[in-house]
Amino acid sequence: AQSVTQPDIHITVSEGASLELRCNYSYGATPYLFWYVQSPGQGLQLLLKYFSGDTLVQGIKGFEAEFKRSQSSFNLRKPSVHWCDAAEYFCAVGQTGANNLFFGTGTRLTVIP
Amino acid sequence: ETGVTQSPTHLIKTRGQQVTLRCSSQSGHNTVSWYQQALGQGPQFIFQYYREEENGRGNFPPRFSGLQFPNYSSELNVNALELDDSALYLCASSLEQGAGMGPKTQYFGPGTRLLVL
Repeated sequence: AQSVTQPDIHITVSEGASLELRCNYSYGATPYLFWYVQSPGQGLQLLLKYFSGDTLVQGIKGFEAEFKRSQSSFNLRKPSVHWCDAAEYFCAVGQTGANNLFFGTGTRLTVIP
Repeated sequence: ETGVTQSPTHLIKTRGQQVTLRCSSQSGHNTVSWYQQALGQGPQFIFQYYREEENGRGNFPPRFSGLQFPNYSSELNVNALELDDSALYLCASSLEQGAGMGPKTQYFGPGTRLLVL
């Protein structure tokens, strides 16, 4: 069965600092991986996705993520965080033959001046 | 291009009542999925509709039911509401998944926040 673990419930970073949000997945076959962002009171916005090919994926808003099969990880990174990046971030995994996603419990990002 | 819309934005019900939530899919999308997001949790898959039929279901009881209409819009119905049904209900639309393929990218609406008292 698929599952996603986001080990960090809450992360605080200073504006301008780099960011890495961790995501580990469990899935027997090649996973389809997603990162979504949710601002307070909002729905989910897709940041980036990995289906196959290059393991370093570029997304919107300056985010990138790297798929590491050996570590079952898909960590999200940003070189310089802006105050408007404060939000909840969700990692999700999908599977072949099904159109639904399994989400992690999310990481809340706080950005301090 | 119109994104995914949901109505109402907020709703308060009492235990035992029934509720209907509505979703209009993004233009061109024929598949709608519903998720429940409890406070402090990630979204959990309820079910998906494609061609007006249920096309996959998560671990939710039968009192959670849905419909999809010819224009691809969808409804989520919950009967006999329980306190634990209080959550943000998210609708996501996508294109249909091809046979043997991975999931299509899902585009989410802003959600309906349901409070059951």
